[in-house]
Amino acid sequence: RKEVEQDPGPFNVPEGATVAFNCTYSNSASQSFFWYRQDCRKEPKLLMSVYSSGNEDGRFTAQLNRASQYISLLIRDSKLSDSATYLCVVTSMNTGNQFYFGTGTSLTVIP
Amino acid sequence: EPEVTQTPSHQVTQMGQEVILRCVPISNHLYFYWYRQILGQKVEFLVSFYNNEISEKSEIFDDQFSVERPDGSNFTLKIRSTKLEDSAMYFCAIERVGDTEAFFGQGTRLTVV
Repeated sequence: RKEVEQDPGPFNVPEGATVAFNCTYSNSASQSFFWYRQDCRKEPKLLMSVYSSGNEDGRFTAQLNRASQYISLLIRDSKLSDSATYLCVVTSMNTGNQFYFGTGTSLTVIP
Repeated sequence: EPEVTQTPSHQVTQMGQEVILRCVPISNHLYFYWYRQILGQKVEFLVSFYNNEISEKSEIFDDQFSVERPDGSNFTLKIRSTKLEDSAMYFCAIERVGDTEAFFGQGTRLTVV
């Protein structure tokens, strides 16, 4: 069973659209949750941490549902520069603080 | 300024050779990590390093691999007797004191021929 599962996409959306990505995790003891962004052949870069209360950073909103072991990312008013792969990442102290990555969801924003 | 710098950015090596990948964090780090990403696949955990010793390692991190901090700041990943399937991007990551998120270096692209 995969630790973190994501829909790989690809998602192709027009500029200005709203798009949502989902992620599920298998370890109920997971403690920290993140969305990272990865551009082609580049390193993953932290987009935002995800908290139980939900959090928003500009056009980006992240939600965590611990009961369902589900994480989401919403991007509003998509821009061409949002085109990237979005990685769902989960950590747990009982696995030595290891970061588990999903396969990533590919987003292309079309002019 | 990046949190962590990796060298080299690209390394080409012949099958069977040994390679050493280097990672230099800024400071105030807690955990070091090595991850790899085979082209088109997900980022995979290799090893975590805490308090100058390995704290966790994956099935991938077998006897072919080793890590160390030779001078107390640089963090290296050694791959012995490289195989074609070792070709991948290798990312070093650090977790700072007081943080929960990890910051990644720009990666080393290893090509085994």
